Amino acid sequence: AQKVTQAQTEISVVEKEDVTLDCVYETRDTTYYLFWYKQPPSGELVFLIRRNSFDEQNEISGRYSWNFQKSTSSFNFTITASQVVDSAVYFCALSDYAGGTSYGKLTFGQGTILTVHP
Amino acid sequence: DSGVTQTPKHLITATGQRVTLRCSPRSGDLSVYWYQQSLDQGLQFLIQYYNGEERAKGNILERFSAQQFPDLHSELNLSSLELGDSALYFCASSVGRKETQYFGPGTRLLVL
Repeated sequence: AQKVTQAQTEISVVEKEDVTLDCVYETRDTTYYLFWYKQPPSGELVFLIRRNSFDEQNEISGRYSWNFQKSTSSFNFTITASQVVDSAVYFCALSDYAGGTSYGKLTFGQGTILTVHP
Repeated sequence: DSGVTQTPKHLITATGQRVTLRCSPRSGDLSVYWYQQSLDQGLQFLIQYYNGEERAKGNILERFSAQQFPDLHSELNLSSLELGDSALYFCASSVGRKETQYFGPGTRLLVL
């Protein structure tokens, strides 16, 4: 069975601080996809990034960066120079494509509540 | 705006009642997924349809059912509602199973 663990329930930082959100996953499959979604106070789920299991290159997008390490089954997300607008719940998710029955369903972590104070 | 629409945004109803939640996927997307977000269970996958056919089922109660119509919109039917069914219900769509799922704004259901 697949499992995603986000050990940090809540993180509080002051604006301009860097913050890293941890994500550890479990899967028996060799092919899978990892995602990060953001849920701002308005409630919608916003897609941030998708990473294939066979692509361990780290990615940077503006103030966001992602570190994927297959050896430790981790897919961590760093926000550099955080801003108040980054305050949201962040979810890490795992999708299995190797098995025919799962058909791409997402398994989510419990989410990390990030609060950025001015 | 993800391009996925859900109606209604909010729904307040009583125990024992039946409601229907509606989802229109992004243009061109054939897959529709339903998820439930509650405080105690978190975000959980309910059911998935691809081009009108049910393809995967998750932790969906027997009181719940869904379908995807020829125009690809989907409906989630919740019946014999209980207090514990109060949650945020999301619909997501993707082109296929290997593609990113984009989520609608959700329907917030409150059962009193």
